[in-house]
Amino acid sequence: EDQVTQSPEALRLQEGESSSLNCSYTVSGLRGLFWYRQDPGKGPEFLFTLYSAGEEKEKERLKATLTKKESFLHITAPKPEDSATYLCAVQRSNSGYALNFGKGTSLLVTP
Amino acid sequence: KAGVTQTPRYLIKTRGQQVTLSCSPISGHRSVSWYQQTPGQGLQFLFEYFSETQRNKGNFPGRFSGRQFSNSRSEMNVSTLELGDSALYLCASSLRTGNSGELFFGEGSRLTVL
Repeated sequence: EDQVTQSPEALRLQEGESSSLNCSYTVSGLRGLFWYRQDPGKGPEFLFTLYSAGEEKEKERLKATLTKKESFLHITAPKPEDSATYLCAVQRSNSGYALNFGKGTSLLVTP
Repeated sequence: KAGVTQTPRYLIKTRGQQVTLSCSPISGHRSVSWYQQTPGQGLQFLFEYFSETQRNKGNFPGRFSGRQFSNSRSEMNVSTLELGDSALYLCASSLRTGNSGELFFGEGSRLTVL
């Protein structure tokens, strides 16, 4: 059975304090790993897709990396507007377009 | 470009009733997926429709059903509501091309079952 585990559940950072969020996964036949951001009262917003181990993607202060067992979302010099819940999801090669989501990391960045 | 629109945004029902939720995808998107989000279980896949056909189904009881119309709009229905069905129901649309798991989510329909 596929498993997606995100850690930590919650993270509080000072503005400018860099850190990483972890997503560990167990899936047979990974087609892709996805990162989404969700603000309170909103639907998730797509950030990145990673397809193979060693791949990296960057967007502003965020950088996502992928290994065969886990993915990291690195946040460099975060700002208060980066506060949100970050969700990781995996897509299995034989599951069509169904995504299996982790429970997320709630990030709070204080000024 | 208009985003994914879900209606109603909030609704309250009592146990045993049924509910129908509606989703209008982004123009040109033919795939619509539905997810249930609860604090305990997180986001869970319900089903996906493409070209009016259900392509995938998650592990939910038969009380949960859906359909897609020729204009790609989708509805989901939950019959015989239970307290545990209280959740945020999210609809997502996509182009469904290649390997993309890039889903565009609506803001959800928050269902409370009393």
